[in-house]
Amino acid sequence: GAGVSQSPSNKVTEKGKDVELRCDPISGHTALYWYRQSLGQGLEFLIYFQGNSAPDKSGLPSDRFSAERTGGSVSTLTIQRTQQEDSAVYLCASSTEGLAGTTQYFGPGTRLTVL
Amino acid sequence: GENVEQHPSTLSVQEGDSAVIKCTYSDSASNYFPWYKQELGKRPQLIIDIRSNVGEKKDQRIAVTLNKTAKHFSLHITETQPEDSAVYFCAASSGGSNYKLTFGKGTLLTVNP
Repeated sequence: GAGVSQSPSNKVTEKGKDVELRCDPISGHTALYWYRQSLGQGLEFLIYFQGNSAPDKSGLPSDRFSAERTGGSVSTLTIQRTQQEDSAVYLCASSTEGLAGTTQYFGPGTRLTVL
Repeated sequence: GENVEQHPSTLSVQEGDSAVIKCTYSDSASNYFPWYKQELGKRPQLIIDIRSNVGEKKDQRIAVTLNKTAKHFSLHITETQPEDSAVYFCAASSGGSNYKLTFGKGTLLTVNP
């Protein structure tokens, strides 16, 4: 079946511009996660959605970052007034439910470059 | 919050040798420990995981061991092959929010033919 998909695969933007990154989770997966992967670093948790529950936004690095998930499926991560330190690969993952021990399946990521 | 340390950052072995990657974690309430493999330019993929009620788990050439007392877990790859070359990440669930994974910084494994 189709895995997690993300778009665009690459995004180059100028400092100060806003960007939107999209994630399509695996059909039927109720849990969705966003991570950021900087060069040579591990994956940094950003935000978590589970069904209709309030999202866990504890990993968002600043108020320039926001995310929403419409209809319990597609999610959009928005970065406003981008800065050069925002350059990274943004990964989305989904799982059947948000419990420890549930496999998270990752998308291919969006490589964001802020000039 | 949870802190995960991973060592070594790079590891080079000859084909057929074994490779061991070690991780330590700080949150004693963590109960789920997955390992992901990420090939260059590809997405991370789960290769094995272990839960806190198990000390060791094996899947063909890959094994993971967990020592809850010492708060460390390790990935063991035997009979390494060139296709094992990749970045490997360990992760630990955060005890208070079981869905949240904290990742190590990764180990670049190179298997030389």
